Amino acid sequence: EVQLVESGGGLVKPGGSLRLSCAASGFTFSSYTMTWVRQAPGKGLEWVSSISSKSIYIFYADSVKGRFTISRDNAKNSLYVQMNSLRAEDTAVYYCARDYSSSWGNQAFDIWGQGTVVTVSS
Amino acid sequence: EIVMTQSPATLSVSPGERVTLSCRASQSVSSILAWYQQKPGQAPRLLIYGASTRATGIPARFSGSGSGTEFTLTISSLQSEDFAVYYCQQYNNWPLTFGGGTKVEIK
Repeated sequence: EVQLVESGGGLVKPGGSLRLSCAASGFTFSSYTMTWVRQAPGKGLEWVSSISSKSIYIFYADSVKGRFTISRDNAKNSLYVQMNSLRAEDTAVYYCARDYSSSWGNQAFDIWGQGTVVTVSS
Repeated sequence: EIVMTQSPATLSVSPGERVTLSCRASQSVSSILAWYQQKPGQAPRLLIYGASTRATGIPARFSGSGSGTEFTLTISSLQSEDFAVYYCQQYNNWPLTFGGGTKVEIK
């Protein structure tokens, strides 16, 4: 079964750090661009960051640039995001997602994890 | 940044009705547009990519059309399981951007 499972969410104080992980199974992880998407409580979807299959291309939303770092370990079938200098507005459910095609340039997402909740509050 | 605008914000519909949702891009995204369905407490589900191609396992009552800046998602006959929030997303340019969503609720 094709699956993504996020972990690492929790409660953190403003200015703090958190590292989210996404474990992939059931597909050739190393062939796909992977992405983090977040959703603040009661709000819509917001793209956060994407990383190409070999980590050559990396993109960030302006809202997280300089604070978040996306990475992957293809040997471990895992995607990560290191989140530093967290703010209240980073509070959200964070989803990892897979491109629908292994070809570059197809950043629509056919496989999503269940999400992990990040709460930034004092 | 390409801004995606969805309308209406909320649509009240009866089961069996035909539903048309709109998505407008602030500049052309060609046909590089996706539609998602999201139910409460669940992750989004990909319905349409490439503006008009149904994703695997998506029922034929869902169809997408449009190109450039104007796009439409049509549900030919709304089923009870279709009440949800629908989002469009462009992936033609970075940053990737989503529309604000249209909530389809029971009338």
